[in-house]
Amino acid sequence: QPILTQPPSASASLGASVTLTCALSSGYSNYKVDWYQQRPGMGPRFVMRVGSGGIVGSKGDGIPGRFSVLGSGLIRFLTIKNIQEEDEAVYHCGADHGTVDNFVAVFGGGTKLTVL
Amino acid sequence: QVRLVESGGDLVRPGRSLRLSCAASGFDFDHYAMYWVRQAPGKGLQWVATISNDGTNTYHADSAKGRFTISRDNSINTLYLQMKDLRPEDTAIYYCARAPWDKYGSYCDLWGQGALVTVSS
Repeated sequence: QPILTQPPSASASLGASVTLTCALSSGYSNYKVDWYQQRPGMGPRFVMRVGSGGIVGSKGDGIPGRFSVLGSGLIRFLTIKNIQEEDEAVYHCGADHGTVDNFVAVFGGGTKLTVL
Repeated sequence: QVRLVESGGDLVRPGRSLRLSCAASGFDFDHYAMYWVRQAPGKGLQWVATISNDGTNTYHADSAKGRFTISRDNSINTLYLQMKDLRPEDTAIYYCARAPWDKYGSYCDLWGQGALVTVSS
């Protein structure tokens, strides 16, 4: 099964841009990854899925156009432009692996984004 | 209103059992797979279990196998997690999540607010 690796923290100034990363372990370059936002004290919220070719499907409900994704090799990127105070959150990436007979889901450790 | 509401979280002693429920509303519950995901205090998300839309297929994380059981009752739009032999390391907020499943796999597009389970003597 894949292992997802995320930096524990990131920061950006109000109005700036930031790119968060989620690294897949070797051998899983064709896997899609799901991005989730978790604001303080709240449950996670689906942002969007990303594969090696970019976004997969649609963004989550209410996710603004400032959020975008890219995929390259083993890395899946989430970029937030014109950062707002409400973007301060922990961003998790997740993936699933397997078939109908054998299924697992995994998450990265999460990146805490601080808006300066 | 489309929502998921967990219930059943509690403070329990090690070795005891507990059943969590997740009530779904506002969507066709039997069209979706469902997940349980937990989050220990100050930690990241950890997958616990998944069940197919009709309940015929269930999958559990290694940490849950043999102790936790995911199930659902589509007649009352409710998801369950039966937990037994609870350990202090099971202390976490437990979230249920709706999971569409397409050719690319599954993802959790709707989450509940979570239920806190504390295992302590």
